[in-house]
Amino acid sequence: RKEVEQDPGPFNVPEGATVAFNCTYSNSASQSFFWYRQDCRKEPKLLMSVYSSGNEDGRFTAQLNRASQYISLLIRDSKLSDSATYLCVVPPLPSSGGSYIPTFGRGTSLIVHP
Amino acid sequence: ETGVTQSPTHLIKTRGQQVTLRCSSQSGHNTVSWYQQALGQGPQFIFQYYREEENGRGNFPPRFSGLQFPNYSSELNVNALELDDSALYLCASSLGGHSYNEQFFGPGTRLTVL
Repeated sequence: RKEVEQDPGPFNVPEGATVAFNCTYSNSASQSFFWYRQDCRKEPKLLMSVYSSGNEDGRFTAQLNRASQYISLLIRDSKLSDSATYLCVVPPLPSSGGSYIPTFGRGTSLIVHP
Repeated sequence: ETGVTQSPTHLIKTRGQQVTLRCSSQSGHNTVSWYQQALGQGPQFIFQYYREEENGRGNFPPRFSGLQFPNYSSELNVNALELDDSALYLCASSLGGHSYNEQFFGPGTRLTVL
């Protein structure tokens, strides 16, 4: 099993729709998770952090399911401007050297159409 | 704008050549991470520098090397370029090397190896 897996999509949804993506991770000891948004040919930007059961910010909700080892991102009332690639990041536990090596998923592409 | 800058923005090299990419971190940040992002993939962690020392390394060969300067800016050097090195190279700055904190990405350097 890959460390971090995401369905690449694309998810093609109309404006106003609700859409959800999942990100599965292999290390059951992982404690924190992050969702980044990456627009076409741009750099990733942090969207949300998830440290416990979940997090909500306006139309965006991130949830963590430790038993099944996945995090989800729910977007309500989709806007055209939500079209982007959504990357999840799972920082594994530190190696013996004490450093974190973050692992990005390949991203899920979202296309919101009129 | 994140305040993280990278140079150059685009670069074309031929196989076997060497390249140096540069990154200036956000003011106040002491950690710089480098990532390689191939088309359609998520960013792959190359290494991280914290207070001028390598603090973690991904699965990249030794011909990928780097350093961090006292002002926390950083360089990524790649020797003996291969065609597969063609990618977007992202640097990200953050605060604190031994835990995963929010990373602020630069706009990237797009490297093409012919």
